[in-house]
Amino acid sequence: ETGVTQTPRHLVMGMTNKKSLKCEQHLGHNAMYWYKQSAKKPLELMFVYSLEERVENNSVPSRFSPECPNSSHLFLHLHTLQPEDSALYLCASSGWTGDYGYTFGSGTRLTVV
Amino acid sequence: KNEVEQSPQNLTAQEGEFITINCSYSVGISALHWLQQHPGGGIVSLFMLSSGKKKHGRLIATINIQEKHSSLHITASHPRDSAVYICAGNSGTYKYIFGTGTRLKVLA
Repeated sequence: ETGVTQTPRHLVMGMTNKKSLKCEQHLGHNAMYWYKQSAKKPLELMFVYSLEERVENNSVPSRFSPECPNSSHLFLHLHTLQPEDSALYLCASSGWTGDYGYTFGSGTRLTVV
Repeated sequence: KNEVEQSPQNLTAQEGEFITINCSYSVGISALHWLQQHPGGGIVSLFMLSSGKKKHGRLIATINIQEKHSSLHITASHPRDSAVYICAGNSGTYKYIFGTGTRLKVLA
């Protein structure tokens, strides 16, 4: 365990389903991130929250909806996804600005059928 | 073209070999991060450096800011080093730009 816990580790969902990914950190970090990792592509930043306020939204489709109820928890709500959304979704946390590096979770492997 | 390029994309080595993975970047960064990703998906931070050289066990990372280039070296490689190695540049507040990774396989 790295200090950032993601659940579930694997998720298979239909295109009409609604599901949520959860991320939790107790490292005292102030910023939390959602990244998408597709095969043979660099990690893509989806959302950044700093002190529960969203500070970055990288043109992510509205079928992905983040929620940060407190600085220790981050959710990614999923609905009406497409097969091309199948990927590894990684959560990370960092200090104030990320200047001193991130701590990543183990990821959720999502398959949309 | 990605702003952070890694080479090689794939690398197979025999146990005990000295390994070098290269990372070049075309944007201004304040620091460069080397990450290791095992088959399960989790990512572990190896180094973060903004100048010079850092060493941890059999791993050495160097960076040349003027040439916008960094290298990760593994001495006396071992099958457990098999993983994907990713470099990432810190290009601003909350902003990291990632390379596509180098897939390393070390054979016993």
